[in-house]
Amino acid sequence: DGGITQSPKYLFRKEGQNVTLSCEQNLNHDAMYWYRQDPGQGLRLIYYSQIVNDFQKGDIAEGYSVSREKKESFPLTVTSAQKNPTAFYLCASSAGWETQYFGPGTRLLVL
Amino acid sequence: GENVEQHPSTLSVQEGDSAVIKCTYSDSASNYFPWYKQELGKGPQLIIDIRSNVGEKKDQRIAVTLNKTAKHFSLHITETQPEDSAVYFCAASRGSSYKLIFGSGTRLLVRP
Repeated sequence: DGGITQSPKYLFRKEGQNVTLSCEQNLNHDAMYWYRQDPGQGLRLIYYSQIVNDFQKGDIAEGYSVSREKKESFPLTVTSAQKNPTAFYLCASSAGWETQYFGPGTRLLVL
Repeated sequence: GENVEQHPSTLSVQEGDSAVIKCTYSDSASNYFPWYKQELGKGPQLIIDIRSNVGEKKDQRIAVTLNKTAKHFSLHITETQPEDSAVYFCAASRGSSYKLIFGSGTRLLVRP
């Protein structure tokens, strides 16, 4: 069963804590992406990776970090430097530069 | 910078009526335009896309039209059903850029 999986579905962060969101795909896609969605708003690009061991900042990269050590995995770390992390985080992947397919999302809440 | 404006922000229609959502893009080099449907608490699903060498594309009750001169593209849903109720996003990208620029979304409500 091919697709994109994100875990966990819900994640709670304490003040000053780093948390890592998981994204895995078995679609054999080269490119992967992380977006942030705030209530009632569109999607904003955090980071993207066109190929393994390479990634680029998106429009709102401050306070976030990523790694791309394997083709199928693109974890996102929300660092303590991100002062307003509460949002819905979406991972996507694509075979080339066009059609992106999204995972089910992770909702991050701050305690 | 690159921008995609989407209207309306909310749309309520009677079941069986048509719904139209419009988007305008700023980057004249944009050449790929997907539409996504997002249900509550879920990730967006691609429902249709169009490339700049085509003016219109249809898939059953859904169609997308593109006017490159005016930099407009629109989503048309005919014979709406309650299960069409969701938030719809348009997006645009240019050339071989991996970056999709999203509109702010339209919440569609189909009244039974």
